[in-house]
Amino acid sequence: AQTVTQSQPEMSVQEAETVTLSCTYDTSESDYYLFWYKQPPSRQMILVIRQEAYKQQNATENRFSVNFQKAAKSFSLKISDSQLGDAAMYFCAYRSLTGNQFYFGTGTSLTVIP
Amino acid sequence: SQTIHQWPATLVQPVGSPLSLECTVEGTSNPNLYWYRQAAGRGLQLLFYSVGIGQISSEVPQNLSASRPQDRQFILSSKKLLLSDSGFYLCAWSLGAGGDTQYFGPGTRLTVL
Repeated sequence: AQTVTQSQPEMSVQEAETVTLSCTYDTSESDYYLFWYKQPPSRQMILVIRQEAYKQQNATENRFSVNFQKAAKSFSLKISDSQLGDAAMYFCAYRSLTGNQFYFGTGTSLTVIP
Repeated sequence: SQTIHQWPATLVQPVGSPLSLECTVEGTSNPNLYWYRQAAGRGLQLLFYSVGIGQISSEVPQNLSASRPQDRQFILSSKKLLLSDSGFYLCAWSLGAGGDTQYFGPGTRLTVL
C-alpha cells in the first residue's frame, strides 16, 4: 500500500509570513493525484489544493501553492501571507488513478501567531 | 452541485448500546463512499468504503459494520458500542474510476460512556 508521511507534527508562523508544510509519499505508480486538506477546529475537512502527477506545473490556489517534486516523491504546501484563519490541521493525501482508496498522512498542526 | 450530509452531528451513547450513523450524498450518481474515524488530534483511519450498492470493503476488523442500501446512502452501525469506539466519524464521497477528489461531510462526534 502507498504511504504518506508528514514529518512535521506541529508548525507555527507569524501572521503575514510564509510557511511551508512538508509531505513525502511512497508509490510505484507513475500517475496519481495528490491533495492537501485543511481541518479547522470545526473538524470539517476542506480541500485546499490538488495536483495531478502527470502535470509538471505546480498547482496554485490564491495564497496556497505546492512544490511538487515527482522524482523525489515530495509534495509540499506553501502558504503565503498567512492569516489567522489558516490555523488548522493540514493533511496530505494520495490517490492512484485506478484505485479507490485515499491515503492520508498523520497531519501537521499549524498555529498562526498574531 | 454535490452535497454530503451526515447525522447526527453529536451523539452520546452508553457502552453496549447500538449505533447507527447515516450519510447521504446529493447531486451525483454511483459515487464511491467512505467512512473514516478520527481520534482527537490524530489522523484519519479508513474504516469502510463502497464502490456500489451492497459492495462494502472493510479495512479494520472491529465491532463496526457498514451498509449501502441505496446508491447515495451509507450507514455505519454497531450492535454493541465499546469505549474505544469514541471519536469523530467522517463520511466522504468521490467519483469512481477516473475520479480524483474526495469530499467530506461535516462529521459526527461520538462519545461512548
